[in-house]
Amino acid sequence: QSVLTQPPSASGAPGQRVTISCSGSSSNVESSTVNWYQQVPGTAPKLLIYSNDQRPSGVPDRFSGSKSGTSAYLAISGLQSEDEADYYCAGWDDRLNGVFGGGTKVTVL
Amino acid sequence: QITLKESGPTLVKPTQTLTLTCTFSGFSLSTSGVGVAWIRQPPGKALEFLALVYWDDDKRYPPPLKSRLTITKDTSKNQVVLTMTNMDPVDTATYYCAYGKWWELEYWGQGTLVSVSS
Repeated sequence: QSVLTQPPSASGAPGQRVTISCSGSSSNVESSTVNWYQQVPGTAPKLLIYSNDQRPSGVPDRFSGSKSGTSAYLAISGLQSEDEADYYCAGWDDRLNGVFGGGTKVTVL
Repeated sequence: QITLKESGPTLVKPTQTLTLTCTFSGFSLSTSGVGVAWIRQPPGKALEFLALVYWDDDKRYPPPLKSRLTITKDTSKNQVVLTMTNMDPVDTATYYCAYGKWWELEYWGQGTLVSVSS
């Protein structure tokens, strides 16, 4: 199982807000920054959020990230059909080095 | 324009050594703060960190796999090579190389599916 814990699935109707959690520990999430990746099935992951809450150029501001203690969060507001994808959190662990969450499948109802 | 592309065998036998090459363009692996990582994803499963080499040749591996992995960079050829020894069917996965600053992997290759079977 993955070092970072995410819910396996999340869903919402178009226009709604969905929040995905990423739970870690003092050796990873709490002590490092968290990145989020979006992966449409059959394609490579795409960096969505870096340094907890920063968006790379071109990522819509509907996507936002935050962190508190040993947990990080990805929020998608104004949910759109093209947001259907798998979402992964990633952090750096003091001992394990790079670590990922198990992924959350977002479904737009 | 930054691009990365993975290349290597699509099928390896159990106990063999896998060698994958990531050929990139649009950036220099001599620039301070940047690195190239290898990530894999078994079919239907989550992403897994394999290795990361930084601009200064600092290398990182996950401890459980460290004994099987070697990452090297050739700055003159714009390539990063990953070798993984003693391959097993559980190592069947899509292998990606990716580039970014520190652990922020902004650019990814398309991935290459490697199957392990006799």
